[in-house]
Formats: sequence, structure tokens, C-alpha cells
Amino acid sequence: GNSVTQMEGPVTLSEEAFLTINCTYTATGYPSLFWYVQYPGEGLQLLLKATKADDKGSNKGFEATYRKETTSFHLEKGSVQVSDSAVYFCALSPRGGADGLTFGKGTHLIIQP
Amino acid sequence: DGGITQSPKYLFRKEGQNVTLSCEQNLNHDAMYWYRQDPGQGLRLIYYSHIVNDFQKGDIAEGYSVSREKKESFPLTVTSAQKNPTAFYLCASSTRGERNQPQHFGDGTRLSIL
Repeated sequence: GNSVTQMEGPVTLSEEAFLTINCTYTATGYPSLFWYVQYPGEGLQLLLKATKADDKGSNKGFEATYRKETTSFHLEKGSVQVSDSAVYFCALSPRGGADGLTFGKGTHLIIQP
Repeated sequence: DGGITQSPKYLFRKEGQNVTLSCEQNLNHDAMYWYRQDPGQGLRLIYYSHIVNDFQKGDIAEGYSVSREKKESFPLTVTSAQKNPTAFYLCASSTRGERNQPQHFGDGTRLSIL
């Protein structure tokens, strides 16, 4: 079946540090890949997406590249801010239709001033 | 503004009681979804629906029921058969049949047991 594995948290960084949150997946065919962000007490917001191999999704300084050869979709940001503190979820939508997303367990990111 | 509205924000259930969580969207999306989120866990799919009057079980449907009588609405009932209902419940919607289209989420309902 489909699965998503992302690094355990919490991840604690200082402001302006470089961020990487690892995400790898298992799926048949060519899934679409997503990163969502969740702030305390809220639902999920789409951060970025990629729909085919070598696509790079980007938004608000965050980037992730769809790597089929390593089945990975790592999230990166060059300089994090306190306001980036949140829980980040990697997710995939399998080939064949919109039958629901498969999520990783989430990574809690804490940025200290 | 278009979006997804979940209500109530907090809900308490007594033993043996059924409770219904509301989800309404004005995005004109065909597909709607219910997920359950537990602390330290990712989201798990409960039910989903691609069109009115049709819905499918997700990975953890036992103890839950849904209906889809209107395109805009997809209520979730947590029945007394669900023995561990305490969780954060999220409703989402998306364009039907488009796997590369993102899902839009509501702000969730937190269900607790009295």
C-alpha cells in the first residue's frame, strides 16, 4: 500500500537557520506529492505541491523537489522565521484519482528567536 | 470568501451517545473527505464522497457514518460503536477526480468524551 515517512520531531532551530524536513514515500506509479502546514488549533493549509518527477514546488520561501529515483520530497527553506513554527505534513495522492491523501505523521518545527 | 466551515469547534460526547459533526463548503467542489487526527499521528481517512448520494469507506470507517444529500454538505456521525472517539476531526474538499489538485481543509472539530 501507500505510505509516507517523515522525520520525527520536534525540530528546534534558531531564527535564520537552514531548514530541511525529510520525507520519503512508497506508492505505485506516479503519485502527486504535497506539503501541508498546520498552526495550533487550525486545519491544514497547502504549502506546496509537485505532480511529476523533477518538479519543484515552492511557496513562501519553502521548496521541495519530487525525486522519483530516491522516492523523496524533502522540504527546505534557506532562512526560517519564528512565524514558521508549526507542524508540517508530507502527503501523497495516489495515481488513479482523488480517493483521499496518505499523510506522514507530521514534524513539529519550533523556531527560537 | 469561499471555504470550508466545520462546526462546532469543540464537542463533548457522553457514553453511548451518537454525535454529528457538521461540514459545509462553498467552493463548488464535488469531492469531500473526513479525516481523524490523533496526537503525534498523521491524518487518517474515515470516509470520502465524490458525488451526491455516494460515499466510500476510508481506512478507519468503523464506528462512523456519513451522508451526502447535498453537494455542499458532508456531515459525520460518530456512533456509540466508536470506542475511542476522542480526536481532532478534519473535513476537506477538492475537485473531483483530480489527483494533482490539493484538498482544502476546514479548521476542525475537537471531540472529547465526558
